[in-house]
Amino acid sequence: QKEVEQNSGPLSVPEGAIASLNCTYSDRGSQSFFWYRQYSGKSPELIMFIYSNGDKEDGRFTAQLNKASQYVSLLIRDSQPSDSATYLCAVNGNAGGTSYGKLTFGQGTILTVHP
Amino acid sequence: KAGVTQTPRYLIKTRGQQVTLSCSPISGHRSVSWYQQTPGQGLQFLFEYFSETQRNKGNFPGRFSGRQFSNSRSEMNVSTLELGDSALYLCASTGGELETQYFGPGTRLLVL
Repeated sequence: QKEVEQNSGPLSVPEGAIASLNCTYSDRGSQSFFWYRQYSGKSPELIMFIYSNGDKEDGRFTAQLNKASQYVSLLIRDSQPSDSATYLCAVNGNAGGTSYGKLTFGQGTILTVHP
Repeated sequence: KAGVTQTPRYLIKTRGQQVTLSCSPISGHRSVSWYQQTPGQGLQFLFEYFSETQRNKGNFPGRFSGRQFSNSRSEMNVSTLELGDSALYLCASTGGELETQYFGPGTRLLVL
């Protein structure tokens, strides 16, 4: 089992729709969770982070965390063609110890928003 | 604040050579992490430095090494390059809430 798994893509949604991106993780001691967006040929760009169970909203983006189910998701409302990119879920493990500075990434989900 | 800078941005080397990549973190950030990104393996953690000390290391061979200077700038070195080392090498500067990592633009290395 991979440490961090994302729903297989590619995901295609029409402009204005809600895009739903999902991620599960295996380490129950994981502390914090991040979503990055990566455009083709560019480096990852932080969208949001979350560490408490529940929802966290930032503009058109909502991150959801359920630690009991070891599940993180990202919802993008009113999707725009400019949202077309690869979305990476990243998990930070237990505080300190062997997790210093290490994010474990999922393989990414390619999102295409078509006009 | 200026973002994370990485130099060079592009590099072409041949097998057997060595390469040194540089990273300057965001001002005030003392932790730097390095990652390798390839189409097949995705983003994989190489190592992390904090206050000139390596605190964590990923599962890469000893050909991959790094260091950090007193001004928090970091370098990574790859010796005896192999074709499989062709990748995007990303440096991340850590700071703020939850030790969030902010990535630099990356160095794209091609080994021929």
